[in-house]
Amino acid sequence: AQRVTQPEKLLSVFKGAPVELKCNYSYSGSPELFWYVQYSRQRLQLLLRHISRESIKGFTADLNKGETSFHLKKPFAQEEDSAMYYCALKAAGNQFYFGTGTSLTVIP
Amino acid sequence: ETGVTQSPTHLIKTRGQQVTLRCSSQSGHNTVSWYQQALGQGPQFIFQYYREEENGRGNFPPRFSGLQFPNYSSELNVNALELDDSALYLCASTGTIGTDTQYFGPGTRLTVL
Repeated sequence: AQRVTQPEKLLSVFKGAPVELKCNYSYSGSPELFWYVQYSRQRLQLLLRHISRESIKGFTADLNKGETSFHLKKPFAQEEDSAMYYCALKAAGNQFYFGTGTSLTVIP
Repeated sequence: ETGVTQSPTHLIKTRGQQVTLRCSSQSGHNTVSWYQQALGQGPQFIFQYYREEENGRGNFPPRFSGLQFPNYSSELNVNALELDDSALYLCASTGTIGTDTQYFGPGTRLTVL
């Protein structure tokens, strides 16, 4: 069965420090992985997708099929990065499976 | 270009009642997905509609049903409400089937007493 696991509910880092939000998945097919972000009092929005291999707001994520992981990384955290982050898997039938989310706080 | 809107913002119902939640998709989008987000959890996929037909369904009972209209607005109907149905209900529209950028609405907070 498909599953997305985000082991950290809360994560705090200091401004300027590197940040890594962990995501592991379970899926028998070819996975499509995404990161969504929800800033305070805003709606959920797409941050990045693995297929684009893009860097958005300094964030990158590499799909590691061997470790079934899609961790989100940023070398230097900024205060405006404080938000709720969700990892999501797109499965057959256009169904999206979301993890439980990680709340990131960047301490000034 | 208008964003995804949902109504109502909040709703309180009692157990056993029925509820209808509404979603207006982003202009030009013909695919809509509905999610249930319980407190402290990620969104859970309920179902997706494409051109007025159900196009995928998650692990939700038949008392969760939906409709999509020719103007691509949609409804989520829940019958025989249970306490565990209390959650934030999100809809998300997508430009066309097969694309993966979902645009989320602000959600409807449903409380079942």
